[in-house]
Amino acid sequence: AQSVTQLGSHVSVSEGALVLLRCNYSSSVPPYLFWYVQYPNQGLQLLLKYTSAATLVKGINGFEAEFKKSETSFHLTKPSAHMSDAAEYFCAVSVRNAGGTSYGKLTFGQGTILTVHP
Amino acid sequence: SAVISQKPSRDICQRGTSLTIQCQVDSQVTMMFWYRQQPGQSLTLIATANQGSEATYESGFVIDKFPISRPNLTFSTLTVSNMSPEDSSIYLCSVGAGGGTEAFFGQGTRLTVV
Repeated sequence: AQSVTQLGSHVSVSEGALVLLRCNYSSSVPPYLFWYVQYPNQGLQLLLKYTSAATLVKGINGFEAEFKKSETSFHLTKPSAHMSDAAEYFCAVSVRNAGGTSYGKLTFGQGTILTVHP
Repeated sequence: SAVISQKPSRDICQRGTSLTIQCQVDSQVTMMFWYRQQPGQSLTLIATANQGSEATYESGFVIDKFPISRPNLTFSTLTVSNMSPEDSSIYLCSVGAGGGTEAFFGQGTRLTVV
């Protein structure tokens, strides 16, 4: 079975500073990996995804993530934090079946709340 | 992409009653998923709903408490039965697409049980 661990339930950065949210996964087969953002009282929005193409994935709002198989990691970064980035971020994994596809069933990490200080 | 509509968006219910949440997708999908997000928590999969067969429930979730219907390839319902305050959560419907490279979510149903 697959699993996801997000290191740090709360991350606080200053506006303009680097954002680094950590995600490690466990999967016996090559996974699909996702980062979602959830703003207060809103639904989930997909930031980016890894589906076995380029290991460095660029997403919306200036975020990117790098898939590192050797480290089983998929950390999310943004060079310069903005106040509007304050939200909760979820890393998720979807496991492919033998045919190489997945039906989109996700296992989520615990979530990381990002706070951005002026 | 897939557009998912969930109803209701929120509700306040009395304990002991039941609420049925509807999920409508704008395209045909094989599987639909129901998740629960308890306050301050991550998303936990409740069950997978296949058209024409019984839903598959995850550990800790049972059909008597969370009956699911899947009458066709674009619609599903989740019922939260005999509610208690512990059932207060956001319930989300989700579908996959693109061979699993995409996962789309409804806006969720925010349930408060009093």
